[in-house]
Formats: sequence, structure tokens, C-alpha cells
Amino acid sequence: RKEVEQDPGPFNVPEGATVAFNCTYSNSASQSFFWYRQDCRKEPKLLMSVYSSGNEDGRFTAQLNRASQYISLLIRDSKLSDSATYLCVVLPVGSSNTGKLIFGQGTTLQVKP
Amino acid sequence: NAGVTQTPKFQVLKTGQSMTLQCAQDMNHEYMSWYRQDPGMGLRLIHYSVGAGITDQGEVPNGYNVSRSTTEDFPLRLLSAAPSQTSVYFCASSDTRRQNSYNEQFFGPGTRLTVL
Repeated sequence: RKEVEQDPGPFNVPEGATVAFNCTYSNSASQSFFWYRQDCRKEPKLLMSVYSSGNEDGRFTAQLNRASQYISLLIRDSKLSDSATYLCVVLPVGSSNTGKLIFGQGTTLQVKP
Repeated sequence: NAGVTQTPKFQVLKTGQSMTLQCAQDMNHEYMSWYRQDPGMGLRLIHYSVGAGITDQGEVPNGYNVSRSTTEDFPLRLLSAAPSQTSVYFCASSDTRRQNSYNEQFFGPGTRLTVL
């Protein structure tokens, strides 16, 4: 089983739609969680961290469910510019001094006009 | 600041050739790392460094060497290229002076390598 698993998609949605991605992780002791965004043929960039209490940044909401070991990303009012691949990223326990992030394979979102 | 830079952007090698992928950052970050990205696999850590003179292996280190003689530079060497090393390679860095700083890794634009 992969340490971090995502549905690769693609998710095809119309502009204005709400879309949600889930990600599961295998190590229950994992300590930090993030969503990165990667545009086609570009480098990944941090979108947001995921906190236990859930957090929101504009149209984006991230949630963590430790009991079920999954992380979610909700995008409201989708824009064409949201089209990208969204990478679920986990920092395993004991890795805070090494930065050894574990990346999911990514979920591709295509927002259509 | 230029951030993280990588050269070359594209490279084609023949099996058995060696080469060095260059990575440099001008943000005075202590932490630097190399990943490879393959379809359906996500990014996988090859090697990383927590400071000049210190390197360690990641998940997929075989066939690659690194060194860190300065804070700015972290080259990745392919010793004898194989078709299995065809991939996109990303270099990244983090500011480890801040708490929880590994949260945000800054990536270079990538090197697309094809081994024939």
C-alpha cells in the first residue's frame, strides 16, 4: 500500500462548481499535512498546510481526519485558473529535522468554461 | 532573488553516460533536496542535505550521488545513466531557521531527462 494515496482523476468540472479531493495516508503517526499545487510541466508550490481544526484560505478549505487517516481539499466557486494537479503531502513522524516529505501522485483538476 | 535554479532544462543521454544536474538557491536555505517525478508515482526523494558538508539518502538513492560543498549548490550526479532514470528531476530547498520550516519547500523548474 502506498504511504499517501490520491484518486488521480481527472476531475472535470464546470466553472463555479464545488469540488473536493480526498487523500489517505497509511502511517497513523504522521505529524504534518499539506496540499501543494502543480501546474502542467511546472514545479510544485505550497497551496496550504492542513491543521487538525481545519483551515480555510479564500475559496479553499482543508480538513484533516486523524481517526480515518484522510485529508481533504474543498474548492468552492471553481475558476479556470484552478486547473492543475493537487498533491497531497505528508511529513512522517520523526522527519521534522529531515524534511522528508511523502508526496501523493496527485489529483488532476480541469475546470471547463 | 532567483529562488531555486536548475540546469539544464532538458537533457538526452545514452545508456552508460554520466552527467551532473545543477541546482542552486540564493535564499540561504540550509535544507536542499532532490526528487524525481514519474507518471503515477508522485515525487520521490533521492537525496537530501541539511547543510553544507552533510548529505543523506532518500527513498530512491541508487544510481545517484550528491555533494554539498556550499550552502548554495547541491548538484546531482548520475554515474552511469540507465533508461529507468528517465524522469523529471526537481531540486528543492527550505529555510530551516524557522520552526516547522520544512512545511514549505521551494522547488526549481525541473530538468527533463531522457535516457536512451
